[in-house]
Amino acid sequence: SQTIHQWPATLVQPVGSPLSLECTVEGTSNPNLYWYRQAAGRGLQLLFYSVGIGQISSEVPQNLSASRPQDRQFILSSKKLLLSDSGFYLCAWSHSGANVLTFGAGSRLTVL
Amino acid sequence: KQEVTQIPAALSVPEGENLVLNCSFTDSAIYNLQWFRQDPGKGLTSLLLIQSSQREQTSGRLNASLDKSSGRSTLYIAASQPGDSATYLCAVPGGQNSGGSNYKLTFGKGTLLTVNP
Repeated sequence: SQTIHQWPATLVQPVGSPLSLECTVEGTSNPNLYWYRQAAGRGLQLLFYSVGIGQISSEVPQNLSASRPQDRQFILSSKKLLLSDSGFYLCAWSHSGANVLTFGAGSRLTVL
Repeated sequence: KQEVTQIPAALSVPEGENLVLNCSFTDSAIYNLQWFRQDPGKGLTSLLLIQSSQREQTSGRLNASLDKSSGRSTLYIAASQPGDSATYLCAVPGGQNSGGSNYKLTFGKGTLLTVNP
C-alpha cells in the first residue's frame, strides 16, 4: 500500500531564516506531487505541483520554491522566510494522470 | 477560474441528527468532485469521490450527491455522532470551460461541523 510522509510536523523559525520541508511517498512510482498551504480563514491554496522528476509548476508567485530531486521526494524551500509564510503546509500525491489526492499529516510553520 | 463555495461555514447539531453540507462550484465542466474531512491540526482524509457521470456515492452513513448542471454537491451525514466533528471540505478540478487543469484541485473553505453529545 502507498504511504506519504511529511516532516517536520512543526517548525518555529525567525523571519529571514531558510526553510526546508520534505515529503516522500512510498509504494508507488511516478506519482503527481503537490504542495498546498492552508492559512487561517483562507482555505487550501495550491503552491506547487509536479508530474515528474525536475518538473515543477508554480501556482502562486512568492518567495517559496519546490524541487523534486527523486521520483518520490518533494521538497519545499525558502531562502528567507517572511511572516506571511506562516501556515499549515500539506503535501499530497496522486497517481499519474489522476487527481484523487492523498494528503500527508501536514507541517505547521510559525514565522516569528 | 474555478471557484468553490461551501455553506454553511459552521454547523452545530445535537447527536443523532441528520444533516446536509453544501458545496457549489462555478465551472460545471469537471471530471469529478471529492469530499474530504480534516480534524484539527491534521491532514485531509478522503471521504468520497464522485465521477462526473455519477449522481451519488455512499460510504456508511455518508452520502454525497452531484448535480453537475447546477454546479452543486451535497454531503449528507445520517445519524450524526460526536466523532463526526471536523471540518468538511469539497474539492473540484479546474473546469474545462475556464481552461482549468484536471490536476489542480480547487478547495472550498470548508464547513466546521460540531456534533454535541
